[in-house]
Amino acid sequence: AQSVTQPDIHITVSEGASLELRCNYSYGATPYLFWYVQSPGQGLQLLLKYFSGDTLVQGIKGFEAEFKRSQSSFNLRKPSVHWSDAAEYFCAVGSKTGANNLFFGTGTRLTVIP
Amino acid sequence: GAVVSQHPSRVICKSGTSVKIECRSLDFQATTMFWYRQFPKQSLMLMATSNEGSKATYEQGVEKDKFLINHASLTLSTLTVTSAHPEDSSFYICSAGGRAQNEQFFGPGTRLTVL
Repeated sequence: AQSVTQPDIHITVSEGASLELRCNYSYGATPYLFWYVQSPGQGLQLLLKYFSGDTLVQGIKGFEAEFKRSQSSFNLRKPSVHWSDAAEYFCAVGSKTGANNLFFGTGTRLTVIP
Repeated sequence: GAVVSQHPSRVICKSGTSVKIECRSLDFQATTMFWYRQFPKQSLMLMATSNEGSKATYEQGVEKDKFLINHASLTLSTLTVTSAHPEDSSFYICSAGGRAQNEQFFGPGTRLTVL
């Protein structure tokens, strides 16, 4: 069965500092992988996704993520965080075949301090 | 493109009443829509998958008689919380499936508070 683990519940970084949010998944084959961002009281916005090919994927708002098969990880990174990046971040995994369900991690809350 | 709206954005109701939440894909047709529930500071939990013109598929543990889903057209799905109770208070989010596998476009969510 698919599962997604985001080990960090809450991360605080200073504005301008680099950021890495961790995501580990469990899946029988190479899954589709996603990162979403959710601002308070809002729906989810897709930051980036990995389907195949280059394991380093670029997303919106300066985010990138790297798929590492050997580590079953898909960590999200940003070289310089902005105050507007404060939000909840969700990693999700989907199946390449069958149902279009997405399985979400428990999320990481990012706080940015000036 | 790929905009999904939800209405209402916020609703407060009395215990025992029913509440209907609408999910619309504004600029595309979605044969599949998904309904999620999110408790405070927790992740999204898939409640059900609805396909236009057919019955919804509910996840284990979700009462289909309590959470009625209707996907009457390619741009509209509704979730009705029947006989709502305070424990049904939550943030409900819908998404519409796109053409690509696992592609989902999320609505802004509906905050339900049952008094």
